Amino acid sequence: DGGITQSPKYLFRKEGQNVTLSCEQNLNHDAMYWYRQDPGQGLRLIYYSQIVNDFQKGDIAEGYSVSREKKESFPLTVTSAQKNPTAFYLCASSRTRNTYNEQFFGPGTRLTVL
Amino acid sequence: AQTVTQSQPEMSVQEAETVTLSCTYDTSESDYYLFWYKQPPSRQMILVIRQEAYKQQNATENRFSVNFQKAAKSFSLKISDSQLGDAAMYFCAYRITSSGNTPLVFGKGTRLSVIA
Repeated sequence: DGGITQSPKYLFRKEGQNVTLSCEQNLNHDAMYWYRQDPGQGLRLIYYSQIVNDFQKGDIAEGYSVSREKKESFPLTVTSAQKNPTAFYLCASSRTRNTYNEQFFGPGTRLTVL
Repeated sequence: AQTVTQSQPEMSVQEAETVTLSCTYDTSESDYYLFWYKQPPSRQMILVIRQEAYKQQNATENRFSVNFQKAAKSFSLKISDSQLGDAAMYFCAYRITSSGNTPLVFGKGTRLSVIA
């Protein structure tokens, strides 16, 4: 079945370490997105990519980095520069030329900094 | 800046009753889409309903309907015949339609409880 996978579901990191969250989609979608969810904050955009080898910063990009080398994959690296990385991270994708360009979401990754 | 405001952090409804969740947005764009997403305890985001700004007719999906007031920039969600499975966080979201695939702008959410 087509869909979006995120791994791992739970991730623990020590302070000062970089960590990479995986996001893969087999929906043949052009665009991919990373959102961060904190209690009471809704979802906030970190980065997004409309095509391969191109991406744009969102509202809270500081301390994060991404790459888009393949259409199917959009990994997010949380660097040690991110001051408060403990959060729930959601990846999404959407197809160009779809009427609503509806975004489909993965199951998320819960990152905890110890 | 584009913003989405959900003024009700928490709501509750009796099973089989009707509840309305509020959402207002701020934009200078004339063409955009509006969405309501549901996030149950599993935390999987599920699209509930969507509305194109140029359509005057309110969208409806089974027990879910919206009241879209473009001039007032209001997009409320009505859930009829509430069921226990409707208990979740509900997020209102907005995106402009220009420039291809644009990100969603979310409100902070409304937590809906359904009382048996």
